[in-house]
Parts: sequence; structure tokens; C-alpha cells
Amino acid sequence: AQRVTQPEKLLSVFKGAPVELKCNYSYSGSPELFWYVQYSRQRLQLLLRHISRESIKGFTADLNKGETSFHLKKPFAQEEDSAMYYCALSGHSNSGYALNFGKGTSLLVTP
Amino acid sequence: NAGVTQTPKFRILKIGQSMTLQCTQDMNHNYMYWYRQDPGMGLKLIYYSVGAGITDKGEVPNGYNVSRSTTEDFPLRLELAAPSQTSVYFCASRATRNTEAFFGQGTRLTVV
Repeated sequence: AQRVTQPEKLLSVFKGAPVELKCNYSYSGSPELFWYVQYSRQRLQLLLRHISRESIKGFTADLNKGETSFHLKKPFAQEEDSAMYYCALSGHSNSGYALNFGKGTSLLVTP
Repeated sequence: NAGVTQTPKFRILKIGQSMTLQCTQDMNHNYMYWYRQDPGMGLKLIYYSVGAGITDKGEVPNGYNVSRSTTEDFPLRLELAAPSQTSVYFCASRATRNTEAFFGQGTRLTVV
């Protein structure tokens, strides 16, 4: 079964502190993983995908197949990082490769 | 760049009414999806399409129908609206399995 787990509903950190949003997955095969961000009342937008290994807005994420994890990290959080973050896994062809989303983690960065 | 466009942005329906949520994309993507987003529940797949003329059910299809007569358009139909369908609906499209999925701005639907 394909599943994405984000164990934290809410994560609150101070500005300048490091932040790590956890994501674990279960998938049979080679996973395609993504992080999406949703700012207040806006559409979801892609933050990172594991295949590109980019760093966007200071965020990075490493795929750890042994631990089946894809945690999102940023060394110094900014107030503008406050948003909802979703980890997503691309499904199999029998679901049209639809993204399976975790329940999301709300990140609040306070001054 | 229009991307994925959804209409309407907001709608209030009475129980038993019907409506169609419109979704169109201008990126020539074959794959299109409808999700609903409920607080604390993430996004759940309602229906998907892998190309014009081909649709299939997702995780939560009951109470909904879709069609895909063209590559660009993927409307979602609600028949006999129920309070349980109060949600935010997102349409999305993508080119292939490992490419970015683009989302519409969402439709906030309330059934009273």
C-alpha cells in the first residue's frame, strides 16, 4: 500500500531556528517524492522534488530509502516560511500517477 | 501563463442542489486530477484522467462525476449536494509521473 505519513500537525519555531518537517512513506517500487507548500488561502505549489536535488528558498530534502523518509529541512527559519507543508508520493499507473498526500504539517515561525 | 484555472472560487449550495466545478489547463497535460481538501485530512483524490475520454475513480468518488471530452477541460459534477461535500476542491494536472503537478486556486464549496 502507498502511504505518506507526516507525524506533526503543527510545528512552531522561532525565527532563525532550524526546522525539520518529517515525512515517512511506504511504497512498492522506486518512489517519486515531492514537497508542496500552501501559503494561506493560496494554491499548492511545488517546493522540492527528490529527483532534482535542488535547494529552494533554503529548504532541502534527502530521500533515505533505508528509513523510507524524505524529511524537509531548513537551517534558519524565516517568518515568511509560515505555511502548510505537504509531503507527496507519486502513485502507480493504476491511479494515473496521482499524488498521494500526507495530512500536512502547519509550520509557524514566530519572531 | 494561465496554468490550471478553476471556477468558481466560492459557492454555497443548498442540500440536494447540483453544480459543476470547472477546470481547464493550457499546458497540454494528459493527466488531470480532482482532490478535496478537508481540515487536518490532507488532500484526497476524487477522480483522475489519463487523457481525453479516459477517467477513473480515486479514493473518494461517491457523489461526484467527471468527464474529459478534451485535453484541456476536466469538469467535476456534484449531483444532490450533501453537507459532507463541504470542502475545498482542487484541480491539478501534470505531464508525467515524475514531473511537477500544477494546481488550480481551489473552489471553496459550502453545502447548507
